[in-house]
Amino acid sequence: GAGVSQSPRYKVAKRGQDVALRCDPISGHVSLFWYQQALGQGPEFLTYFQNEAQLDKSGLPSDRFFAERPEGSVSTLKIQRTQQEDSAVYLCASSSSYNSPLHFGNGTRLTVT
Amino acid sequence: AQSVTQPDIHITVSEGASLELRCNYSYGATPYLFWYVQSPGQGLQLLLKYFSGDTLVQGIKGFEAEFKRSQSSFNLRKPSVHWSDAAEYFCAVVFGMDSSYKLIFGSGTRLLVRP
Repeated sequence: GAGVSQSPRYKVAKRGQDVALRCDPISGHVSLFWYQQALGQGPEFLTYFQNEAQLDKSGLPSDRFFAERPEGSVSTLKIQRTQQEDSAVYLCASSSSYNSPLHFGNGTRLTVT
Repeated sequence: AQSVTQPDIHITVSEGASLELRCNYSYGATPYLFWYVQSPGQGLQLLLKYFSGDTLVQGIKGFEAEFKRSQSSFNLRKPSVHWSDAAEYFCAVVFGMDSSYKLIFGSGTRLLVRP
């Protein structure tokens, strides 16, 4: 079956622009996660959804970052007024339950110029 | 504080040689433990996981890992490395359950394979 799909694959934004990154999880997966991976680093947790409920957003670096999953499937990560330090790969992952492994998408590489 | 440590940033081995990648964690209870691999430009692929039971777990591509509670470690091993194993390897640990579920990654170890 289809894996986790993320779009766009690449995004270039000028500093100050808003961006929206999309994640289509595996069908039926209730848990959805967003991670930020800077160059040469491990993924850093941003936020976690269980169905449509955002249960943990402790990793969001500032109030410019906002995530939603209104119908419990597709999720969008929005970054307002992008800054150069936001340049990273943004990874989405889903799982069927809390003790099931995460399945990752290929990520969206965001470059802020 | 909860943390995951991969002390080796880079490791270089010759093709056919054995491999061990180190991972240590800091947590008060027994966590769920994972190893993921990431090839350039790709997402993360699960190699293996430990939840409970036998402390030696087998994964894909000939990898195995051993959970040692006394050392808070979950080291990844492979008896004979292939050139295609060159990639970035991440140890990851789940801290918490249900609403506080969070998968935390180490900083990664880049594996280079000499011909």
